[in-house]
Amino acid sequence: AQSVTQLDSQVPVFEEAPVELRCNYSSSVSVYLFWYVQYPNQGLQLLLKYLSGSTLVKGINGFEAEFNKSQTSFHLRKPSVHISDTAEYFCAVSAARTTGTASKLTFGTGTRLQVTL
Amino acid sequence: GAVVSQHPSWVICKSGTSVKIECRSLDFQATTMFWYRQFPKQSLMLMATSNEGSKATYEQGVEKDKFLINHASLTLSTLTVTSAHPEDSSFYICSAFRARTIGETQYFGPGTRLLVL
Repeated sequence: AQSVTQLDSQVPVFEEAPVELRCNYSSSVSVYLFWYVQYPNQGLQLLLKYLSGSTLVKGINGFEAEFNKSQTSFHLRKPSVHISDTAEYFCAVSAARTTGTASKLTFGTGTRLQVTL
Repeated sequence: GAVVSQHPSWVICKSGTSVKIECRSLDFQATTMFWYRQFPKQSLMLMATSNEGSKATYEQGVEKDKFLINHASLTLSTLTVTSAHPEDSSFYICSAFRARTIGETQYFGPGTRLLVL
């Protein structure tokens, strides 16, 4: 089984400042890692994912994340945030599969990013 | 591509009635769909895994007789909340897994907010 820890429930930041949202995971098998964003009363939108290969992953809206296997982390970063980035961010993990079958996603508790002027 | 829809987006019902929520993959075939439940300001909790043409697999603690899941085709899964009670009020989100792709992500629907009076 996998688990995900998002230590920061809320992260306040000023517009145009950099931000890092932390995510640590636990798993006894190889994993896929994901970051999703959720705007109020909406479903989840995929920001980026790590499956294999380069540990630095670039996603949409200027976000990127780095997979660190030794620290079992997958922190999300953005060099300059905008007001529109205010949302809930979820880190998720699933067991890596070698066949084209679905694997359950386990979500962290979420981090509320609040961007202010 | 990879659009998932849910219907209805909002539903208000009286206690004791049943409510059906549809999840459709609009532009791809989904052999597997997942149903999640999200309480206010909390993370997504997996309720069940729905595989086309077979019985759904429920997570521990989820009543399968209360939350009926049907996955009749490769593009449609339904969740029926039977004899709904106020404690069933929640945000229900589905996701669809695109078939025959290694490491593919789940695509999420916009969610259905259920309020049981």
